[in-house]
Amino acid sequence: KNQVEQSPQSLIILEGKNCTLQCNYTVSPFSNLRWYKQDTGRGPVSLTIMTFSENTKSNGRYTATLDADTKQSSLHITASQLSDSASYICVVSDRGSTLGRLYFGRGTQLTVWP
Amino acid sequence: EADIYQTPRYLVIGTGKKITLECSQTMGHDKMYWYQQDPGMELHLIHYSYGVNSTEKGDLSSESTVSRIRTEHFPLTLESARPSHTSQYLCASSTGTGQETQYFGPGTRLLVL
Repeated sequence: KNQVEQSPQSLIILEGKNCTLQCNYTVSPFSNLRWYKQDTGRGPVSLTIMTFSENTKSNGRYTATLDADTKQSSLHITASQLSDSASYICVVSDRGSTLGRLYFGRGTQLTVWP
Repeated sequence: EADIYQTPRYLVIGTGKKITLECSQTMGHDKMYWYQQDPGMELHLIHYSYGVNSTEKGDLSSESTVSRIRTEHFPLTLESARPSHTSQYLCASSTGTGQETQYFGPGTRLLVL
């Protein structure tokens, strides 16, 4: 069964600190992995996308890593800001269909305190 | 910011009412999707479309129906709303070229009393 598991479920950090979110997946055959940010009451917004051959991708203070052998990914947030408070969702796409089916994790709820 | 819009943003309605959730995108994307998301849970695909006159059911069984008469418009309809339909509904679209990113609308939060 194709699954995407994220940890921790929730995280509270102080403004200015760094944090790392984890994603493990069993989706096969693997196509790509995305990290989305979802603010409360809004739709998800794409942060990064990585294919099988990429092991790191940055977008400003966000850096995603991918280990396709162990089927693990992480999202590292540097120098957190209050606006980083959101749910971060790991999404994995398979190559098994023309739709490019997406498998969503439940997200990590990040809260940044001043 | 993606050019994909959903209305209404919030809807409170009584059991048995017919409702239509609107979704429009101005990016000319062929593929469009409807997801259902409960608090703290993952998104579940309930409908998708490859283009005009194409509609397919997703992974999660849903009593809703969709139509795709125009490229930019993908409305979702519930003929008779029930409390079990209470959820957040997210619309998305993508270019359909293979490694495409899905762009999401802001969502509609539905509460059925």
